[in-house]
Amino acid sequence: EPEVTQTPSHQVTQMGQEVILRCVPISNHLYFYWYRQILGQKVEFLVSFYNNEISEKSEIFDDQFSVERPDGSNFTLKIRSTKLEDSAMYFCASSGGAGGPINTQYFGPGTRLTVL
Amino acid sequence: DQQVKQNSPSLSVQEGRISILNCDYTNSMFDYFLWYKKYPAEGPTFLISISSIKDKNEDGRFTVFLNKSAKHLSLHIVPSQPGDSAVYFCAASAEAAGNKLTFGGGTRVLVKP
Repeated sequence: EPEVTQTPSHQVTQMGQEVILRCVPISNHLYFYWYRQILGQKVEFLVSFYNNEISEKSEIFDDQFSVERPDGSNFTLKIRSTKLEDSAMYFCASSGGAGGPINTQYFGPGTRLTVL
Repeated sequence: DQQVKQNSPSLSVQEGRISILNCDYTNSMFDYFLWYKKYPAEGPTFLISISSIKDKNEDGRFTVFLNKSAKHLSLHIVPSQPGDSAVYFCAASAEAAGNKLTFGGGTRVLVKP
């Protein structure tokens, strides 16, 4: 069964450093998303991406964040200068395969980001 | 953000019995609702969904009920199995808002053998 994959599973970085979290969405999906879950809090939406551009972003997704689909398979989230409060699980999701519902999102296993 | 709430943080049920998980929402723009299951250190796994034009959707042991007037949905799992022990998240989306998901806080289910 097709699945969303994410690398790395755990990333440790120093405050102020740049990190890139990588995702490979389900191959025929057209819509891509990033969410995060800070420990003890709800899963929260960061950004959605369709047709090579951001379609929606939350107020969390400020200028420190960017997303890119550099080729036909990868979808990345970059945090330019990490802060302590960026420590969280980051989940990638995708939806909208050929003829499939765009509003059923399938999630990857997550990347745990720890900022020291 | 309290647009989606799961008021029961935990639920314990005997194997073979029914598990009923509840979820309330406040945003009347939501038109699609989903339930996800999550194990520790894994991502949310999609279980079942329902559109706002329906009031019930069933898939095997899982049934979701939607009461739009009460802004309430529930997930029934019957019969419950030990492998169902996990955290269950309710999520909602609105087509007008780009289908981003708004999650509830989760309910931890423990199925006892």
